Amino acid sequence: DGGITQSPKYLFRKEGQNVTLSCEQNLNHDAMYWYRQDPGQGLRLIYYSQIVNDFQKGDIAEGYSVSREKKESFPLTVTSAQKNPTAFYLCASSTDREVNEQFFGPGTRLTVL
Amino acid sequence: DQQVKQNSPSLSVQEGRISILNCDYTNSMFDYFLWYKKYPAEGPTFLISISSIKDKNEDGRFTVFLNKSAKHLSLHIVPSQPGDSAVYFCAASALSNQFYFGTGTSLTVIP
Repeated sequence: DGGITQSPKYLFRKEGQNVTLSCEQNLNHDAMYWYRQDPGQGLRLIYYSQIVNDFQKGDIAEGYSVSREKKESFPLTVTSAQKNPTAFYLCASSTDREVNEQFFGPGTRLTVL
Repeated sequence: DQQVKQNSPSLSVQEGRISILNCDYTNSMFDYFLWYKKYPAEGPTFLISISSIKDKNEDGRFTVFLNKSAKHLSLHIVPSQPGDSAVYFCAASALSNQFYFGTGTSLTVIP
């Protein structure tokens, strides 16, 4: 089955630790995205990548880093520089050549203790 | 600054009646709009879209209306069913893959 997977579903970390969230897709999509959702707020774009080895900052990139070494994978690292890392993180992908709907993964709930 | 706004955080509707979810935007360059449905602890799923060259798009029980002059779009669900209870996000894009999302409206359909 084609789709997007994110792991783990729930993640706990101590304050000051970096943590990497996984996102994998087998939809052969060129573009991938990371969003963050907080209560009472819309999805906010952290980073996006339209092609392998290239990515751009979204609206709230500070304290995060990404890599896109493979088309299928777009891991997100939440660094200790991120002031409020506890949130629900969503990964998405889409075809690149036209404006199209994005397909979302199930999300990862990160809690920093 | 929120470019896409959903001013109603919640909405309750009786089963079988119409649900109307509203969305306003500020950027006149937006030309593609989508609605997503989201259940708790899951990723959003695509529901319906509309391009700025249209003012209406229909898919089964779901219809999206776009009023470009008012920078307003709405999602109509008729008839509403209990399984429609979820959070609905509208999103907008301006000829790029970067979408801007609203804050969501939580719909409850009462049996």
